[in-house]
Amino acid sequence: DAKTTQPPSMDCAEGRAANLPCNHSTISGNEYVYWYRQIHSQGPQYIIHGLKNNETNEMASLIITEDRKSSTLILPHATLRDTAVYYCIVSYGKLTFGQGTILTVHP
Amino acid sequence: ETGVTQTPRHLVMGMTNKKSLKCEQHLGHNAMYWYKQSAKKPLELMFVYNFKEQTENNSVPSRFSPECPNSSHLFLHLHTLQPEDSALYLCASSHSPQGLGQETQYFGPGTRLLVL
Repeated sequence: DAKTTQPPSMDCAEGRAANLPCNHSTISGNEYVYWYRQIHSQGPQYIIHGLKNNETNEMASLIITEDRKSSTLILPHATLRDTAVYYCIVSYGKLTFGQGTILTVHP
Repeated sequence: ETGVTQTPRHLVMGMTNKKSLKCEQHLGHNAMYWYKQSAKKPLELMFVYNFKEQTENNSVPSRFSPECPNSSHLFLHLHTLQPEDSALYLCASSHSPQGLGQETQYFGPGTRLLVL
């Protein structure tokens, strides 16, 4: 599976959009981009995934660049409950978790 | 609520004890997974079961013994553990076996294990 690079931490003000970047320059043509998050001491929670097109669901939007070498997860209106570790994973089935990005949403 | 439950949520055991962790999924999935998350470390995949058959064992010590009696239930039997086995143990399930393309995994809340 391709490796991803994420910033170790980010801050966001409550109510503002949180934009979490991920680089995956070695992604293969059949690998999907997945985003999960893990709130402290809980199990990871699936957020969204995509292959080539941008995707949106009730939780977030996923923007994938045309060359597929990077992506951005957007939480449109961050709340304090969105404070978590966010994992970007590229995968054709198997999930390999890295260190992720610690997102802190502050009042 | 993800449809994957784990019991117990917390467990303290001595190195000579035998205990079991239980996972149940209510999603009609055919694949189930055990992961380990030690402090400050990424999740590590331990075992994979597809249609009740073990298809992956990532060099896990034999003191961890998984069991999958049916597609809805997964157990992790623990015996003679070491203090370094203290971690969060997570169960997950997916509709189809991993390796078949897009396959979202849904995780349980985990069992926090402390080995004394």
